[in-house]
Amino acid sequence: QVQLQESGPGLVKPSETLSLTCAVSGYSISSGYYWGWIRQPPGKGLEWIGSIYHSGSTYYNPSLKSRVTISVDTSKNQFSLKLSSVTAADTAVYYCARGGLRYFDSDYYFDYWGQGTLVTVSS
Amino acid sequence: EIVLTQSPGTLSLSPGERATLSCRASQSVSSSYLAWYQQKPGQAPRLLIYGASSRATGIPDRFSGSGSGTDFTLTISRLEPEDFAVYYCQQYGSSPQAFGGGTKVEIK
Repeated sequence: QVQLQESGPGLVKPSETLSLTCAVSGYSISSGYYWGWIRQPPGKGLEWIGSIYHSGSTYYNPSLKSRVTISVDTSKNQFSLKLSSVTAADTAVYYCARGGLRYFDSDYYFDYWGQGTLVTVSS
Repeated sequence: EIVLTQSPGTLSLSPGERATLSCRASQSVSSSYLAWYQQKPGQAPRLLIYGASSRATGIPDRFSGSGSGTDFTLTISRLEPEDFAVYYCQQYGSSPQAFGGGTKVEIK
């Protein structure tokens, strides 16, 4: 059974960089799939942030692209999110999830999700 | 960029009733690449439907998806107590993929 677990600071100051990691168990990231980040502001809907293929190719939401970096560490079977220059609008629950299997499935549904982690941006 | 509009915003129904949720796209969704998710309070979304009408693993057959082009529907044939939740649609046929705003199914 594939399991994902997010980790990282729950509080980030405005203008700083948000950093989260998603540890994957039950599946080797190096074997395939896109791995993505999705966020949900309190009481609001879902927003796709970006995805990374197991080979390292990345694909970002244009609305966040200038501030987002997603990387993968296959040796640790985990992938990470960095979001720079954060503001209060970036306060949200951040989820990691598994996307498409093939390289051209950069846009895909997400079948396995982490439980999510709340990140609050505040001084 | 495709924008998804879900309606109604809230659906008030009783257990045993039929629920019909709508997801309308601003442009045609390529190859019916439309998914539905269920989210309960404090939980991550759960994949219900992909490819507009294919049920994900372990999803009961009271959940069904239909539609093509710009109009899609999620139907819950008979609501069980555990079905009261928020439902989101997602299009993944065009870049960037995007989610709808959600429909809350609440107990009447």
